[in-house]
Amino acid sequence: GENVEQHPSTLSVQEGDSAVIKCTYSDSASNYFPWYKQELGKGPQLIIDIRSNVGEKKDQRIAVTLNKTAKHFSLHITETQPEDSAVYFCAVLNDYKLSFGAGTTVTVRA
Amino acid sequence: GEEVAQTPKHLVRGEGQKAKLYCAPIKGHSYVFWYQQVLKNEFKFLISFQNENVFDETGMPKERFSAKCLPNSPCSLEIQATKLEDSAVYFCASSQGTSVSTDTQYFGPGTRLTVL
Repeated sequence: GENVEQHPSTLSVQEGDSAVIKCTYSDSASNYFPWYKQELGKGPQLIIDIRSNVGEKKDQRIAVTLNKTAKHFSLHITETQPEDSAVYFCAVLNDYKLSFGAGTTVTVRA
Repeated sequence: GEEVAQTPKHLVRGEGQKAKLYCAPIKGHSYVFWYQQVLKNEFKFLISFQNENVFDETGMPKERFSAKCLPNSPCSLEIQATKLEDSAVYFCASSQGTSVSTDTQYFGPGTRLTVL
């Protein structure tokens, strides 16, 4: 099955700074890579996704980059705000099911 | 509806008791997925359905877990004779399809199962 590694496990940033989370995956056939944000007591919320025919995708303060050759993809959050504090999960769709990274707890300090 | 609905929000069972969780997918979505999230944030795929048919059950513990999606009813995940290690949050997700642009999975709020 797919093996997804996510780093770092925790990330503390000053409000206004950028946050970067990186994931690697093992199956070169995978072609869909979503990112989810999970707040305490809630379900994962899709925030951005990317497909293998695209190298970068941006949505306001959030961007995702994909390097298919190296089998890694990254989430970039710019101008972080307190409401960005949450656990972020990368995921890879393989055989129609998602494999998740272990999550990154992001804390934005005011 | 516009969101995946899950009930109940919390469920407490004594070891050996039965637990049944429910999920209503987004209207128009044909695929339903169940995932288990344990304490260290780890997600584990359990089972998926295409309408009322099992699509992939490779993640299901065979002995005590079962699931159904019947027409005009919420999908359900049932655990017979719960064990302490079944304590987790169970998430349901749905997608419109499995092809490009329809395979995005949207998650419900989860059911937290605590086995005492």
